[in-house]
Amino acid sequence: AQRVTQPEKLLSVFKGAPVELKCNYSYSGSPELFWYVQYSRQRLQLLLRHISRESIKGFTADLNKGETSFHLKKPFAQEEDSAMYYCALSGVGSQGNLIFGKGTKLSVKP
Amino acid sequence: EPEVTQTPSHQVTQMGQEVILRCVPISNHLYFYWYRQILGQKVEFLVSFYNNEISEKSEIFDDQFSVERPDGSNFTLKIRSTKLEDSAMYFCASTSQGQNTIYFGEGSWLTVV
Repeated sequence: AQRVTQPEKLLSVFKGAPVELKCNYSYSGSPELFWYVQYSRQRLQLLLRHISRESIKGFTADLNKGETSFHLKKPFAQEEDSAMYYCALSGVGSQGNLIFGKGTKLSVKP
Repeated sequence: EPEVTQTPSHQVTQMGQEVILRCVPISNHLYFYWYRQILGQKVEFLVSFYNNEISEKSEIFDDQFSVERPDGSNFTLKIRSTKLEDSAMYFCASTSQGQNTIYFGEGSWLTVV
């Protein structure tokens, strides 16, 4: 079954602390993995995807096929990082049919 | 920067009524989607639309739902005979061909009473 699991509903850290938002997936094949972010009262927006292998706003995520994980990391959290973070996958050739995790609410305290 | 726009932002409707949610995708995009998010639950795919027809739909997207692109700009989701459990945030999204960056609208919050 195709599934994205984000085990933490809420993650609370202090400003300057490292952050890791966990994401595991289940998919038969080679999916594309994404992280979407939703700031308070704003729309869902793409944060990064594994294909581009880039760092956005200091966040990185590495696809680990052996562990079927795509954890999101940032070495030093900022207060403005507080938001809902959704991990999602898309099957190859299935453009747009994103399967989302339940999301993790990141709260960065001053 | 171009955005996906949705109307209404919030609609309250009585059970059994029909609802139409409207979306204006980004102008040069060719793939359109509807997702929904029931309060406290995950964002779920409903349907994708390309070349004036449904290209993929989920189990949620049954005969109660339909989509249409009535003109060159709007993309609508119609929900017939609404039920209480249809209360959710409905997101429209679009993407251009060959990309997997999907752009979401701000959502339409539907409350069925």
